[in-house]
Amino acid sequence: QKEVEQNSGPLSVPEGAIASLNCTYSDRVSQSFFWYRQYSGKSPELIMSIYSNGDKEDGRFTAQLNKASQYVSLLIRDSQPSDSATYLCAVKSIRGGSQGNLIFGKGTKLSVKP
Amino acid sequence: GAGVSQSPSNKVTEKGKDVELRCDPISGHTALYWYRQSLGQGLEFLIYFQGNSAPDKSGLPSDRFSAERTGGSVSTLTIQRTQQEDSAVYLCASSFSWVPSTDTQYFGPGTRLTVL
Repeated sequence: QKEVEQNSGPLSVPEGAIASLNCTYSDRVSQSFFWYRQYSGKSPELIMSIYSNGDKEDGRFTAQLNKASQYVSLLIRDSQPSDSATYLCAVKSIRGGSQGNLIFGKGTKLSVKP
Repeated sequence: GAGVSQSPSNKVTEKGKDVELRCDPISGHTALYWYRQSLGQGLEFLIYFQGNSAPDKSGLPSDRFSAERTGGSVSTLTIQRTQQEDSAVYLCASSFSWVPSTDTQYFGPGTRLTVL
């Protein structure tokens, strides 16, 4: 069973702090990893994709991938109240006849307190 | 450029009726995906198109669900004889291809389906 696991939260951090979101996945051959943000009542919005081990930075966001440990994380620096949302970790399935669908974790709800 | 569009944004129907949901992907994107998200639940994969063909229909929950894509662009998801458990937000996404580094999926705003 291919799975993506995330802590459901809520994760509460003060404004200006670093928020750390974690995700583990079960399929060792996965090659594509994504973080999406979803505000209540809205559709998922891409934050970042990552394909290689290590860190990838984009503004206040840093994604980290460790394929050996099957672990993906997202760091949000200088957290703002507008970052309050549910963060979805997604891993692309490539086994069998499945060549493209994403397997999503259930999401971590982040709350940034002013 | 324009993102993924979906219509209608909201659909209320009676149990047993058929519904059609439409998705217009980003221009030039060859891959198209349908997911659904039930209240408080995670995103569930339904079906995937590469061009006009659907190599992966494994996520369709029953034979009441079908989808087609014509001209490598617009896709329609049809639910026949709707049931109350079909109530959910149906999300469409598209990507340039399924090859890593070009496989980022961008989501449309979704269609909220309510079956009374």
